Amino acid sequence: DILMAQSPSSLSASVGDRVTITCQASEDIMTFLAWYQQRPGKAPKLLIYDSSTLKTGVPTRFSGSGSGTEFTLTISSLRPEDVATYHCQQYDSLPLTFGGGTRVELK
Amino acid sequence: EVQLVESGGGLVQPGGSLTLSCVTSGFPFDNYDMTWVRQAPGKGLEWVASIKKDASDKYYADSVRAKFLISRDGAKNTLYLRMNNLREADTATYYCARGSEDDGMEPLDPWGQGTPVIVSS
Repeated sequence: DILMAQSPSSLSASVGDRVTITCQASEDIMTFLAWYQQRPGKAPKLLIYDSSTLKTGVPTRFSGSGSGTEFTLTISSLRPEDVATYHCQQYDSLPLTFGGGTRVELK
Repeated sequence: EVQLVESGGGLVQPGGSLTLSCVTSGFPFDNYDMTWVRQAPGKGLEWVASIKKDASDKYYADSVRAKFLISRDGAKNTLYLRMNNLREADTATYYCARGSEDDGMEPLDPWGQGTPVIVSS
């Protein structure tokens, strides 16, 4: 199974801050990497797929990068509505595997 | 609008069974692979099972293989998860999600709102 190591597990930032979350795969997954946002009490929503492609309608302050085993999700300027847990997921092969999640809170 | 609506969760005793349903609308159900993902309270996401668009192949996480059965009914646009011999470790919110339309792998999008399963005596 491909292990996904996500860090940090939580962070606290101020409105307007730049936020960076990383995800490391245990083996090469090319760019088969997605990022999901899960607001409290809600289902996950797809933000980014193929490592860097923004889903239609997702604000452009979100961006993704990386290939192979190292990936990054960046929020360029944090807004209050971005308070959520963010999950990375590889879809290179089954079993589908997720990172442990990063909880983003407002300072 | 694409919609996925799960139901069938609830409280069940250890060793019991439940069948979850995921009614879909707004897209050609028979054209898409479908997946179940679960999330234990306060924990991360765990893939449970996937089924190909024509039901020709079914895939399971090791933790549920031989206990759970994924199936689909194209006439009802509905995905199912039959869960047997439930244990406390199966306590989670269960989400259905739409997968790939073609033969390759794609991210899960969208997801249903989830249905909670609590296994407790």
